Amino acid sequence: SQQGEEDPQALSIQEGENATMNCSYKTSINNLQWYRQNSGRGLVHLILIRSNEREKHSGRLRVTLDTSKKSSSLLITASRAADTASYFCATDGNDYKLSFGAGTTVTVRA
Amino acid sequence: KAGVTQTPRYLIKTRGQQVTLSCSPISGHRSVSWYQQTPGQGLQFLFEYFSETQRNKGNFPGRFSGRQFSNSRSEMNVSTLELGDSALYLCASSLDRGSIGELFFGEGSRLTVL
Repeated sequence: SQQGEEDPQALSIQEGENATMNCSYKTSINNLQWYRQNSGRGLVHLILIRSNEREKHSGRLRVTLDTSKKSSSLLITASRAADTASYFCATDGNDYKLSFGAGTTVTVRA
Repeated sequence: KAGVTQTPRYLIKTRGQQVTLSCSPISGHRSVSWYQQTPGQGLQFLFEYFSETQRNKGNFPGRFSGRQFSNSRSEMNVSTLELGDSALYLCASSLDRGSIGELFFGEGSRLTVL
């Protein structure tokens, strides 16, 4: 079963615009991670945020975490064509399993 | 530093056959996790091996099995293949137990069952 659920399922934006996607999860976590997957390829780690952190930045990426609402958001600023991909949130549990959501497919139009 | 290597990248099998997939983790990584990815079910956790021991298992039938060798390389096996086993099988390695930190994924093995 999937712990995290991303929203929206798909997103289409113009190059240069910002893209925001959300992740909601059900049980308490130690950390939450975001990954990117280009079509049919392996996943690439983007950022990890721990349960005691509220916000984290990495280049054009900004991740927030609200443990009281059991939700996280990923913001990609000034999007580029190369950002076209599927984005997944992944949450851990006390069982060391990393569970992935269904993903948000982002299309950046030139 | 070489990344995670999965072989074969593509394979076609028929129902009833069995298949073995291989994963070579990043040097020094002790944990290898396997995931099945399908359009309908998304990424589903199969199992995790750490120091040659299976530490975690997902909700898959016993037809799915795996092992890890002393050099941390891992294999997974699916016996009596069914059409529904068609998927992208992803292997990921990490320094420590799977969920503690970043996972490094291979490019996957795409299995088609006819």
